[in-house]
Amino acid sequence: DAKTTQPPSMDCAEGRAANLPCNHSTISGNEYVYWYRQIHSQGPQYIIHGLKNNETNEMASLIITEDRKSSTLILPHATLRDTAVYYCIVRVWTNDYKLSFGAGTTVTVRA
Amino acid sequence: DGGITQSPKYLFRKEGQNVTLSCEQNLNHDAMYWYRQDPGQGLRLIYYSQIVNDFQKGDIAEGYSVSREKKESFPLTVTSAQKNPTAFYLCASSNQGYNEQFFGPGTRLTVL
Repeated sequence: DAKTTQPPSMDCAEGRAANLPCNHSTISGNEYVYWYRQIHSQGPQYIIHGLKNNETNEMASLIITEDRKSSTLILPHATLRDTAVYYCIVRVWTNDYKLSFGAGTTVTVRA
Repeated sequence: DGGITQSPKYLFRKEGQNVTLSCEQNLNHDAMYWYRQDPGQGLRLIYYSQIVNDFQKGDIAEGYSVSREKKESFPLTVTSAQKNPTAFYLCASSNQGYNEQFFGPGTRLTVL
């Protein structure tokens, strides 16, 4: 699976959009981009995934660049409960069962 | 409610003792996983199972053992051979490998 690079931390004001970047310059054509988050001392939670088109669900939006070498997770209206570690993962859409979690980005939403 | 349960939330053991962590799911998922997380680090895969009575080693299987006798259960045993067992252990399940994984609340193991 391709390696990802994320900033170690970022702050966001409550009510504002949080834009979380992820670089995956070695991504191959059959690898998807997944985002999970982990609130302190809890299990990770799936957020969203995509291949090349932008995706949106009730939690977030995922914007993938045209060359697919980077992506941005957008939390449209951050709340204090969005404070968590966010993980960007790329993996092949097959029966490969592995998720490779890096260190992620620690997002702190401030009132 | 459907979900994954792990028990206990906190577990203390003396060095040299084997300990078994419980993981149960009622989501009817075929695949189950065990991860380990150390402070400030990401998750690392210990073992995973795609179907009952079958499982594969992950990236850090040494010192651990698992069984999958029932679809809903995937217990993890931390043996005395695991040199640094103190960690946060997370169990997950999914409906086939490429779908999203659902995680349990985790068990924090401390070996004294």
